Amino acid sequence: QVQLVQSGAELKKPGASVKVSCKASGYTFTDYYIHWVRQAPGQGLEWMGWINPNSGGTNYPQKFQARVTMTRDMSTNTAYMELNRLRPDDTAVYYCARKLGRPYYGVDVWGQGTTVTVSS
Amino acid sequence: IPLTQSPSSLSAFVGDRVTITCRASQDISNYLAWYQQKPGKAPNLLIYSASTLQSGVPSRFRGSGFGTDFTLTISSLQPEDFATYYCQQTNSFPSFGGGTKVEIK
Repeated sequence: QVQLVQSGAELKKPGASVKVSCKASGYTFTDYYIHWVRQAPGQGLEWMGWINPNSGGTNYPQKFQARVTMTRDMSTNTAYMELNRLRPDDTAVYYCARKLGRPYYGVDVWGQGTTVTVSS
Repeated sequence: IPLTQSPSSLSAFVGDRVTITCRASQDISNYLAWYQQKPGKAPNLLIYSASTLQSGVPSRFRGSGFGTDFTLTISSLQPEDFATYYCQQTNSFPSFGGGTKVEIK
């Protein structure tokens, strides 16, 4: 079945970096963009950007442009999201999710989430 | 493109009709999706293209709207529908609304 399986929980110190992986299975990896969304404790959903696995092209909102890098490994059908210069307010559950590239579709499959805790 | 959801929370009885609205700050055509999220779980896609029901989603969920004003309606609230609902504009920069928590009355 279609799945996105994410890497495990992370505990990081302020100023460090974190890299979360998202392994896709059950579909053609290059047919869907991979989006990253985070959710701070008790808060709403925040979109962090997407990567097109086919071309490697990315799109980040201004808020994250200086700190986030999204990559993919087509040999293992895995997407990665790296966030640098972590702050305590980056503590959140980070989700990867897939979406067709055309604008009228929603995000139809989500990973299980990766908890990232930033604390000294 | 900022999305404003209202209300931020509501209380309702099982069997009630519930309506949640989502307003975009500029025209987004029909590029809007709705999600349901339960505590500790990833969101689940309910509606895309403003009014298209995702496969497997019960028909009591209905989406409508175009341009800047959108609505999610649950025709007869069921116990499993108590959750938080988010709208998302699905164009190039897919931002989310702030969420609406639906609680049991």
